[in-house]
Amino acid sequence: DSGVTQTPKHLITATGQRVTLRCSPRSGDLSVYWYQQSLDQGLQFLIQYYNGEERAKGNILERFSAQQFPDLHSELNLSSLELGDSALYFCASSTHSGDTGELFFGEGSRLTVL
Amino acid sequence: QKEVEQDPGPLSVPEGAIVSLNCTYSNSAFQYFMWYRQYSRKGPELLMYTYSSGNKEDGRFTAQVDKSSKYISLFIRDSQPSDSATYLCADGGATNKLIFGTGTLLAVQP
Repeated sequence: DSGVTQTPKHLITATGQRVTLRCSPRSGDLSVYWYQQSLDQGLQFLIQYYNGEERAKGNILERFSAQQFPDLHSELNLSSLELGDSALYFCASSTHSGDTGELFFGEGSRLTVL
Repeated sequence: QKEVEQDPGPLSVPEGAIVSLNCTYSNSAFQYFMWYRQYSRKGPELLMYTYSSGNKEDGRFTAQVDKSSKYISLFIRDSQPSDSATYLCADGGATNKLIFGTGTLLAVQP
């Protein structure tokens, strides 16, 4: 158990809809990362937050947004969903803000868009 | 060209075999190199972490980095069925992004 909690574990929705994925980092970790994993693209970095502030951005679509709250949990919002958004979404946390060091991953949220 | 390239496999070996997993990277700014292991339906977990060129050993696992050729390898000795998983190489640099390879699926047959 990594100590990172993600909900929901599975989500099935329709195209055009909006969903919110939630992540609670390990106790004491200030950085939260979001990754998308699909069969053809592998694990793609989306965005990082450190202590409530956006720290780095990857290949995150404009339809996606994220935030980190004062209690350090994070949410990833996916809107106007398309079939191609079906993937595993992982949250990871670490103690670091810059040099990432070890990332601790949750078990992921599997999103299926029909 | 992807920043980190990895053969997706699958790779199937008999129990006890030596396994070699490889990645190449293109970004000279990468400063540290990691191997993550991901079991089916689980999140990735860190296996090995190194900053420098050369070898680093941890039990049955050896990570090798050659910065001059931008090549990283993971060797598994005396492979076990419990080693069956997807192995992801990951590289990072001055930015906060950790770039992952697509992963190699390994199956160790008993």
